[in-house]
Amino acid sequence: DGGITQSPKYLFRKEGQNVTLSCEQNLNHDAMYWYRQDPGQGLRLIYYSQIVNDFQKGDIAEGYSVSREKKESFPLTVTSAQKNPTAFYLCASKWRANTEAFFGQGTRLTVV
Amino acid sequence: GQQLNQSPQSMFIQEGEDVSMNCTSSSIFNTWLWYKQEPGEGPVLLIALYKAGELTSNGRLTAQFGITRKDSFLNISASIPSDVGIYFCAGLNLQGGSEKLVFGKGTKLTVNP
Repeated sequence: DGGITQSPKYLFRKEGQNVTLSCEQNLNHDAMYWYRQDPGQGLRLIYYSQIVNDFQKGDIAEGYSVSREKKESFPLTVTSAQKNPTAFYLCASKWRANTEAFFGQGTRLTVV
Repeated sequence: GQQLNQSPQSMFIQEGEDVSMNCTSSSIFNTWLWYKQEPGEGPVLLIALYKAGELTSNGRLTAQFGITRKDSFLNISASIPSDVGIYFCAGLNLQGGSEKLVFGKGTKLTVNP
């Protein structure tokens, strides 16, 4: 099936540990995005990538890192520097230029 | 960064009523997108708008791309209980080759049967 896959659906980590969230798409989309969602906050852009081996910071990039080594994959690492990492993380992708974006099912990260 | 002001923040309506929500910004966008999100799930695309002044329908949903390119609205006619969810607007600005996609804070819709 074609689509955007985020895994795992739920993730628990201890405070101080880095954790990597997976996002894979088989839609041949060029651009990929990571958003963070907190209750009542909407979707805030963390990082986005328009092409392999290139990415840009979004509005809340501090404490996060990404890589784009393959077109179909855009993993997000939540580092120990992120002060409040517990949140719902959403990945999206789209073709270049003026096209719509589609989302994965999200990963709920809980740091204890 | 670019900000989208979405209103209202929440709506409580009776089944059968019409609903209207909107997004405004101080920035110009090339594309406006409207999504619906249900609890614990990723947002699902409802309508995409690509040209200033464009009016597009998808069943009971109608959305318009503002003529100034700085706003958009979404209407839902004859609401039903399954319309419950959070509705988000999103704007795509292609200026300078960037493809930054930003979102409003959402409108939470509750429909009473």
